[in-house]
Amino acid sequence: DGGITQSPKYLFRKEGQNVTLSCEQNLNHDAMYWYRQDPGQGLRLIYYSQIVNDFQKGDIAEGYSVSREKKESFPLTVTSAQKNPTAFYLCASRPLGTSGDEQFFGPGTRLTVL
Amino acid sequence: SQQGEEDPQALSIQEGENATMNCSYKTSINNLQWYRQNSGRGLVHLILIRSNEREKHSGRLRVTLDTSKKSSSLLITASRAADTASYFCATDAGTSGSRLTFGEGTQLTVNP
Repeated sequence: DGGITQSPKYLFRKEGQNVTLSCEQNLNHDAMYWYRQDPGQGLRLIYYSQIVNDFQKGDIAEGYSVSREKKESFPLTVTSAQKNPTAFYLCASRPLGTSGDEQFFGPGTRLTVL
Repeated sequence: SQQGEEDPQALSIQEGENATMNCSYKTSINNLQWYRQNSGRGLVHLILIRSNEREKHSGRLRVTLDTSKKSSSLLITASRAADTASYFCATDAGTSGSRLTFGEGTQLTVNP
């Protein structure tokens, strides 16, 4: 099956710890995105990547870091510098060029800071 | 910053009725997209309308776009209980990386 997977589904973190959220896609998409969603809110862009070994900050990048060592993988690290990390995190991907403009989303990871 | 603003924030209707959600945005766009999110899940793409289009249909969905008013509407006809979800508009302004800017969503409840 083609798609985007995120793991884990639920993640608990103690204050001061870094945690890494996984995002993998087998759709051969060029671009990948990380969003944060707070309760009752829309999505806000954290980071995005259009090509391997390159990524750009979104609107709320502070306290987060990413890497793009492989086309199919775009992990997000929530660092201890992120003051309010409890949220629902969504990963998405899309092909670039003329293949289509929609983004395909993973099922999300719910992060809770204890 | 959130470009899209949606209205209403919440909508409750009976099965069989039509549901209309509105989205306003601030800057020029290449296209506007509507997504659906069931509670605690990822988003699913519903329909895309380009800046040179005024209306688009897909099954029970009808989307309109008025670029002079910077607004769009999503109409779901003959609603079903399974349509209960949050609906988000997202604008593509043609910026680097084909970024989308999402609105805050409309929570639709369809009562059986």
